[in-house]
Amino acid sequence: GAVVSQHPSWVICKSGTSVKIECRSLDFQATTMFWYRQFPKQSLMLMATSNEGSKATYEQGVEKDKFLINHASLTLSTLTVTSAHPEDSSFYICSASELNYEQYFGPGTRLTVT
Amino acid sequence: QKEVEQNSGPLSVPEGAIASLNCTYSDRGSQSFFWYRQYSGKSPELIMFIYSNGDKEDGRFTAQLNKASQYVSLLIRDSQPSDSATYLCAVKSFGNEKLTFGTGTRLTIIP
Repeated sequence: GAVVSQHPSWVICKSGTSVKIECRSLDFQATTMFWYRQFPKQSLMLMATSNEGSKATYEQGVEKDKFLINHASLTLSTLTVTSAHPEDSSFYICSASELNYEQYFGPGTRLTVT
Repeated sequence: QKEVEQNSGPLSVPEGAIASLNCTYSDRGSQSFFWYRQYSGKSPELIMFIYSNGDKEDGRFTAQLNKASQYVSLLIRDSQPSDSATYLCAVKSFGNEKLTFGTGTRLTIIP
């Protein structure tokens, strides 16, 4: 299957700082990338959808100024959590698809804000 | 509101038996159906997808789709302890890039 990587796999940051998470499709061109958040024992929550070269589409209730998404190329999307707070601590997972086919997930990034 | 429903479990199955996981969906416009496996602390892994009514087999896994009943299932034959995980059903509608996920069924294979 297609391979999607994420970096970093885990990160600890102080409250008020910003954190950038990278998502890369390694062996295919990701026309669409998705960002999810998952809290313990809960299902995935879609945060936003991004298409290469376009602004991301955020789900209702997700603050676009806090979670900045950039999809500058067909293989790279980034999520920046700005002014992070402890309640932003979560498991952030990206997925990628080519031409609206199956979504393949990255391994996830565990963010802890202290 | 478009919904995907799964029994949250836990579902316990003896090793070597068949595990049956079920999923129903409310949107009749749904076109594509996916099963993901998620181990604790890991991200989801695509197991199978199915687009047409009927059965689709891949190794020990069989996906079954019945659009008239709005029902999709996943059968795991010869269950192994390594199959213990949460299984997520996801549905996509025609022209929609987004997946709608169920809450997942936690499966435990008992040695």
